[in-house]
Amino acid sequence: DVKVTQSSRYLVKRTGEKVFLECVQDMDHENMFWYRQDPGLGLRLIYFSYDVKMKEKGDIPEGYSVSREKKERFSLILESASTNQTSMYLCASSAGTANTGELFFGEGSRLTVL
Amino acid sequence: RKEVEQDPGPFNVPEGATVAFNCTYSNSASQSFFWYRQDCRKEPKLLMSVYSSGNEDGRFTAQLNRASQYISLLIRDSKLSDSATYLCVVNGGSSNTGKLIFGQGTTLQVKP
Repeated sequence: DVKVTQSSRYLVKRTGEKVFLECVQDMDHENMFWYRQDPGLGLRLIYFSYDVKMKEKGDIPEGYSVSREKKERFSLILESASTNQTSMYLCASSAGTANTGELFFGEGSRLTVL
Repeated sequence: RKEVEQDPGPFNVPEGATVAFNCTYSNSASQSFFWYRQDCRKEPKLLMSVYSSGNEDGRFTAQLNRASQYISLLIRDSKLSDSATYLCVVNGGSSNTGKLIFGQGTTLQVKP
């Protein structure tokens, strides 16, 4: 089975802190994604990556950055956390063409920024 | 207008009922369509892809109407275990580098 693992299920951070969310997939997928999910807004794409060291902005990249140094790992970084970044963060991976392949999601990281 | 729109519900139905969800999308160039299922406090998982000719998987039938730009999901003989949020997903355009866009989801509650 495909496994997408997010390092932290629950985090509580203070405003201004730097936050790292780690995601690892074990199926050699080319594509990796970071979404956030908020009530009434659904899943919104923050950043995605088609290959190592490649990244593309999604719909809401402001306040976030990403890193993909290895194929299996895609990190989301909040340089200076703010309260409006309190959310559920979901990492996903897929094989093949990014917009047609099945997305496999991690269990999510619920971030609270105080 | 949202790129992918769904009625959030909730749809409350008795066991054994047939229920249908619709989803509309705004980009006429979209080529790929999917339904994902998300259980409470869980991650989304692919339920089925939606093909132009329509497709069926057991009690689930998905249909695509390109002219009206909507997708539907029909669930027959509803089970308690069908209770979940159903997410309509559409690719953002014809380009191979296009991204998938999620609707906000429709919540289904199946009651005994």
